[in-house]
Amino acid sequence: GAVVSQHPSWVICKSGTSVKIECRSLDFQATTMFWYRQFPKQSLMLMATSNEGSKATYEQGVEKDKFLINHASLTLSTLTVTSAHPEDSSFYICSARDITRVGYEQYFGPGTRLTVT
Amino acid sequence: TQLLEQSPQFLSIQEGENLTVYCNSSSVFSSLQWYRQEPGEGPVLLVTVVTGGEVKKLKRLTFQFGDARKDSSLHITAAQPGDTGLYLCAGVHASGGSYIPTFGRGTSLIVHP
Repeated sequence: GAVVSQHPSWVICKSGTSVKIECRSLDFQATTMFWYRQFPKQSLMLMATSNEGSKATYEQGVEKDKFLINHASLTLSTLTVTSAHPEDSSFYICSARDITRVGYEQYFGPGTRLTVT
Repeated sequence: TQLLEQSPQFLSIQEGENLTVYCNSSSVFSSLQWYRQEPGEGPVLLVTVVTGGEVKKLKRLTFQFGDARKDSSLHITAAQPGDTGLYLCAGVHASGGSYIPTFGRGTSLIVHP
């Protein structure tokens, strides 16, 4: 149980284009999902907290107009990187919190490797 | 911002050795999780601790939550090459009705055969 999928697993796009990444909780409902960015050999950097049916809460320094987050259902959140630039190249990981669990743990997707050329 | 200090950052040991990873904070957490991540993959949940003083065991891994719920440790006995990976601790605290996770910097473990 507690499986989170992420699609695509990797994507290459040209500078200036937009890329959408999907995060789905497959066997549980998630009122809260998180989006992270991770640089090589480093820990996770929280970008935003996505709550179903409401606007995402972005961490300081993260541009909300560049990283659009939509959490339209209890099982799906999307991250759209708009007007991507090479510096946006990174490993993006989503996680989902199971509303039935009291420990507030997250279950992570497998990640999306974004390369902007 | 809740800070979670994780140490050591890097660990390179021989198979069969024991090791301990620490996570410390000045803040009280509602819960704390330990994750293990392999390159190119998402972190995998190992354990959640909720109660101060709690100890949980997962085969050769022992997790402990401090009495004051501000710190935690992960001890691996007789490490094996399959234990190689990035270990992450994450403390969860309440903030305006939300429970926001804070991650430590991670401990990159390499176990040599």
